[in-house]
Amino acid sequence: DTAVSQTPKYLVTQMGNDKSIKCEQNLGHDTMYWYKQDSKKFLKIMFSYNNKELIINETVPNRFSPKSPDKAHLNLHINSLELGDSAVYFCASSQAGGGVSTDTQYFGPGTRLTVL
Amino acid sequence: AQSVTQLDSHVSVSEGTPVLLRCNYSSSYSPSLFWYVQHPNKGLQLLLKYTSAATLVKGINGFEAEFKKSETSFHLTKPSAHMSDAAEYFCVVSDPQGGGNKLTFGTGTQLKVEL
Repeated sequence: DTAVSQTPKYLVTQMGNDKSIKCEQNLGHDTMYWYKQDSKKFLKIMFSYNNKELIINETVPNRFSPKSPDKAHLNLHINSLELGDSAVYFCASSQAGGGVSTDTQYFGPGTRLTVL
Repeated sequence: AQSVTQLDSHVSVSEGTPVLLRCNYSSSYSPSLFWYVQHPNKGLQLLLKYTSAATLVKGINGFEAEFKKSETSFHLTKPSAHMSDAAEYFCVVSDPQGGGNKLTFGTGTQLKVEL
């Protein structure tokens, strides 16, 4: 059973298009996250939702919009894709709803987005 | 703000020899520190985490790390490298925010294991 799953695994699209990446966790966790890994493998947090509420929103272009229909799902929608959006996007989830610093985050397999 | 610095971008060892991946942290209070591993084209897997319960932390696959406050370090070690250890390793510090945790990643260390 996959704990944190993402679809699609690969996404190739043209500049200017709109695309979505879906994430689901079956761990019963309260908090979910989106991270971006660039071509140099640097990972940076983008967003976090706790029980469907946005709690972390880093400096990300407003073309990126997360949506959490329920606490098991956190989708990422990207409008007007640009070349610089090419990266691997990782979803993660964690148990705690109170921001416990030792809480482990469990990562999905990643979605490799290529913008042509 | 908390941060971590991974001192080596690449480390190469021979199979069967010890592994040392170095990480220094910067924090104004006692940090929560993690090591994650990423195998090629895979997601991230937790190796171990420091929670202040013990300074020597044992993780999966024979890895361990020691928290040294005086040196602000959290180096990852393994006594004997295996070919399957070849991967990217990330030292991470956690900063609670709202109802979640903001993980700040180091720049990664690529471990190469040679025969």
